[in-house]
Amino acid sequence: KQEVTQIPAALSVPEGENLVLNCSFTDSAIYNLQWFRQDPGKGLTSLLLIQSSQREQTSGRLNASLDKSSGRSTLYIAASQPGDSATYLCAVRSRAAGNKLTFGGGTRVLVKP
Amino acid sequence: DVKVTQSSRYLVKRTGEKVFLECVQDMDHENMFWYRQDPGLGLRLIYFSYDVKMKEKGDIPEGYSVSREKKERFSLILESASTNQTSMYLCASSLGASGRKEQFFGPGTRLTVL
Repeated sequence: KQEVTQIPAALSVPEGENLVLNCSFTDSAIYNLQWFRQDPGKGLTSLLLIQSSQREQTSGRLNASLDKSSGRSTLYIAASQPGDSATYLCAVRSRAAGNKLTFGGGTRVLVKP
Repeated sequence: DVKVTQSSRYLVKRTGEKVFLECVQDMDHENMFWYRQDPGLGLRLIYFSYDVKMKEKGDIPEGYSVSREKKERFSLILESASTNQTSMYLCASSLGASGRKEQFFGPGTRLTVL
């Protein structure tokens, strides 16, 4: 059974600091890993998708790495801004979960001006 | 850009009512999904569909049914709404077997059952 964990559950940083968000999963036989952003009361916005054969993906100030062997992914957000305040969720698609997404509980981020 | 829309942002219904939640995607995606999201429980998959008229149970299908008569539309039906179905409902879609399977989500429907 696939389990996805995100620690810490909440994070507060001053504006300008780099953000480091962690995601760990128990079964390394994954097809891909996806990072999402969710604003309060809204749907999920897809940020990055990393296929199992990739080590990292970049989009603007966002960079996500994937280490399948250790069951970890890290999302880096450079030079954080107050507008980055949101909940960030990671999800993995794996055979262990019947080819469906398994979500972590999310990390709630507050960037203070 | 992929667009997934949901028919309502907020809904208030009474116990016992039949409730329809509609989801439409405009990118010709084969796969469509319905999740619910609750504090402390995260996102849980209710039903999904790989093709028109196809449906598969997710992790928590009890009390729900779905309909997919057209490729772009996936409906979630609460046959007899109950208070424990008060939740945020999220629809998603993705390409099928040959695609990257990146899931794209709609804005969500906040359902309150009184």
